[in-house]
Amino acid sequence: GDSVTQMEGPVTLSEEAFLTINCTYTATGYPSLFWYVQYPGEGLQLLLKATKADDKGSNKGFEATYRKETTSFHLEKGSVQVSDSAVYFCALRVASGGSYIPTFGRGTSLIVHP
Amino acid sequence: EADIYQTPRYLVIGTGKKITLECSQTMGHDKMYWYQQDPGMELHLIHYSYGVNSTEKGDLSSESTVSRIRTEHFPLTLESARPSHTSQYLCASSDTGKGGNTIYFGEGSWLTVV
Repeated sequence: GDSVTQMEGPVTLSEEAFLTINCTYTATGYPSLFWYVQYPGEGLQLLLKATKADDKGSNKGFEATYRKETTSFHLEKGSVQVSDSAVYFCALRVASGGSYIPTFGRGTSLIVHP
Repeated sequence: EADIYQTPRYLVIGTGKKITLECSQTMGHDKMYWYQQDPGMELHLIHYSYGVNSTEKGDLSSESTVSRIRTEHFPLTLESARPSHTSQYLCASSDTGKGGNTIYFGEGSWLTVV
């Protein structure tokens, strides 16, 4: 079956530090890949996505590149802010020939200190 | 921006009460999902639907039921609430279009059973 593995948290950084949250996946078909962010007390918001190999998704200074050869979709940001403190979820969905059910990682909590 | 709405956002009810959590989306999506999530933790799929009159149970055993009489509406019902049902419930939807197949989430319903 499909699966997503992301690094365990919490990840604790100082403001303006570089962020990497690792995400690797296994999929039975050709997946689209996503990063979602969840702020306290809220639902999940789409942060960025990529639909094919070598695509780079980007939004609000965050980036992730779809690496088919390493089955990875690592999230990066060059300079984090306190407001980036949240839980980040990596996800995949195989739409063509798959079950259409999205698969999520367990989430990685990010804490950014001033 | 996602057009998916959940009500109520917050609810405190007594043990044994019946409760329905409402979810509506205006995007015309055929796929809809219900997840249960403890704060900041992994998501557990409890129900999903491929379209009108289609409902399936997810990975997590749940004492809830769902219905899909209209495309835009996917309510979740607990016939007899228990303290173990205290959690956040997230509704989501997606379409079957090519590429992307983004999953959109509502803001969540926080249920506390006392």
